[in-house]
Amino acid sequence: GENVEQHPSTLSVQEGDSAVIKCTYSDSASNYFPWYKQELGKGPQLIIDIRSNVGEKKDQRIAVTLNKTAKHFSLHITETQPEDSAVYFCAASRRGAQKLVFGQGTRLTINP
Amino acid sequence: GAVVSQHPSWVICKSGTSVKIECRSLDFQATTMFWYRQFPKQSLMLMATSNEGSKATYEQGVEKDKFLINHASLTLSTLTVTSAHPEDSSFYICSAEPRETQYFGPGTRLLVL
Repeated sequence: GENVEQHPSTLSVQEGDSAVIKCTYSDSASNYFPWYKQELGKGPQLIIDIRSNVGEKKDQRIAVTLNKTAKHFSLHITETQPEDSAVYFCAASRRGAQKLVFGQGTRLTINP
Repeated sequence: GAVVSQHPSWVICKSGTSVKIECRSLDFQATTMFWYRQFPKQSLMLMATSNEGSKATYEQGVEKDKFLINHASLTLSTLTVTSAHPEDSSFYICSAEPRETQYFGPGTRLLVL
């Protein structure tokens, strides 16, 4: 089955700097890759997703890149702000299979 | 995005009792919903897939007789933790998938004393 590895487990950056979180997946049939942000005591919130027919997607300060050949995808947050502090999860799934396989999570801390 | 709600947001119960958690899709119909469990500082673990009008599909290692799932309508799935024990204390989260994108509920924190 699918296995998703996420790095780093913790990341601390200065406010205004960029943050990058990376994930690798094992199943070459996976074709949907969402990223979720989870604040303490809350459910995960979808922040951006990408499907395998594109290599990059951007939404304001957030971008995701996908390398299907290498089977890895990354989340990029630019101009970080204190409210970006949270745990971020990547995930992967096959179209039609619905089941998401999650990475281990990255605790991002933005230092003022 | 789509809105998924859960009720209750937290519950404390005595060991041996049963607890029911509701998951609702508020602005869309969901033939499939998902139930996850999350321990502190860990990732989400899929427990089961809830299918409207049919039996749920449980992940390996999840006891179907302990975690009863009912998906009686296109907007409601329920998870009942039967004969709860302290080790069942956890954060339970549901999700639903309109248009091939999963949206999560706010979660239910269960504490079994």
